[in-house]
Amino acid sequence: DTAVSQTPKYLVTQMGNDKSIKCEQNLGHDTMYWYKQDSKKFLKIMFSYNNKELIINETVPNRFSPKSPDKAHLNLHINSLELGDSAVYFCASNPGGVWANVLTFGAGSRLTVL
Amino acid sequence: SQQGEEDPQALSIQEGENATMNCSYKTSINNLQWYRQNSGRGLVHLILIRSNEREKHSGRLRVTLDTSKKSSSLLITASRAADTASYFCATDAGSGGGADGLTFGKGTHLIIQP
Repeated sequence: DTAVSQTPKYLVTQMGNDKSIKCEQNLGHDTMYWYKQDSKKFLKIMFSYNNKELIINETVPNRFSPKSPDKAHLNLHINSLELGDSAVYFCASNPGGVWANVLTFGAGSRLTVL
Repeated sequence: SQQGEEDPQALSIQEGENATMNCSYKTSINNLQWYRQNSGRGLVHLILIRSNEREKHSGRLRVTLDTSKKSSSLLITASRAADTASYFCATDAGSGGGADGLTFGKGTHLIIQP
């Protein structure tokens, strides 16, 4: 079973559209994140959620809105997509406890905005 | 802001040789981790070294940490073609609980020539 799964894996869309990426983890972890990896492979944290509550919102445009319906799911909705939003978006989860901050990543969702 | 800087950005060696990559960071940390990313995949945790440790081994991996120089190195011995991937260092400088996540460097792209 996939521990952290993201859908879709690939997403190609036009500028101005709204799209969502979904993430689910079956590890029982309390903390989940969204990271953005740009074309130069630089990974930057976007959001951090702990047990459905937003903990960190880095300087991300408010066109990006995360939603966590329960602690196993963290979805990312993006409004009015721009060319610069093209990137790979990774969901990750954190076990906490002794292994706090050893992250398990999903396979990524490659977003291409045309 | 970016915490880690890996060096070199790219490394190409022959199978069987050892590969060494370095990471420098800026702030005090709780631990430093190394992750591997195969092409088109998510990041996979390799090894963690705590701030009070100087060296750690796991299989063919050896990690060192010098907190006075704010630097770490990852050595992969007896490299194999399957080691071809990008390697990222990540620092945990949070106050605990995992909410802060990890801060990643730009990565070293390692190519093992058969």
